[in-house]
Amino acid sequence: NAGVTQTPKFQVLKTGQSMTLQCAQDMNHNSMYWYRQDPGMGLRLIYYSASEGTTDKGEVPNGYNVSRLNKREFSLRLESAAPSQTSVYFCASSERTTGVNSPLHFGNGTRLTVT
Amino acid sequence: RKEVEQDPGPFNVPEGATVAFNCTYSNSASQSFFWYRQDCRKEPKLLMSVYSSGNEDGRFTAQLNRASQYISLLIRDSKLSDSATYLCVVKTGGSYIPTFGRGTSLIVHP
Repeated sequence: NAGVTQTPKFQVLKTGQSMTLQCAQDMNHNSMYWYRQDPGMGLRLIYYSASEGTTDKGEVPNGYNVSRLNKREFSLRLESAAPSQTSVYFCASSERTTGVNSPLHFGNGTRLTVT
Repeated sequence: RKEVEQDPGPFNVPEGATVAFNCTYSNSASQSFFWYRQDCRKEPKLLMSVYSSGNEDGRFTAQLNRASQYISLLIRDSKLSDSATYLCVVKTGGSYIPTFGRGTSLIVHP
């Protein structure tokens, strides 16, 4: 039982390059999220998927796209990377988005540097 | 006013001390509350949920005060390994989006 698995762990991109961050969970959770974390900024929600087949924008969606491939997998794509997207990216999942006591479980993170 | 506010600290305490953090929230419809721990450059990990009647897990006690709209985390007999950033998280029952505080930094020294 691996929980939430993110790949890659580290990535360096040049400005303008594209890449996809992968996330998979094996807890049969309905909801999945992508966050970025920058020093002094806390966690900021990029996109989320309340359930398979749905995706919605979070606080900072510009420059990103997502795909909820199936119940297990939720990917984040940077079409044209910019230095402002240098950050640590966390994927998370929860059993459900509504209702009480449904905490998030996080992956180990992807450390992305855009030069 | 931010939805979820925490004192960033750092709280600098000696081993064995008792330390408490508060987290205030602005949405009175909030229903779910959690404390997470985050070590430097690592992912946040669930420390404990916060229940209406308060709950305890070993050295950790969480309380909810709905009237004043805050949750608290009390750590007794602090250990060096408790050094981390503690994040509070608030969810409303009908909201898909959990709201994170920016965290409180705790440093436990010998």
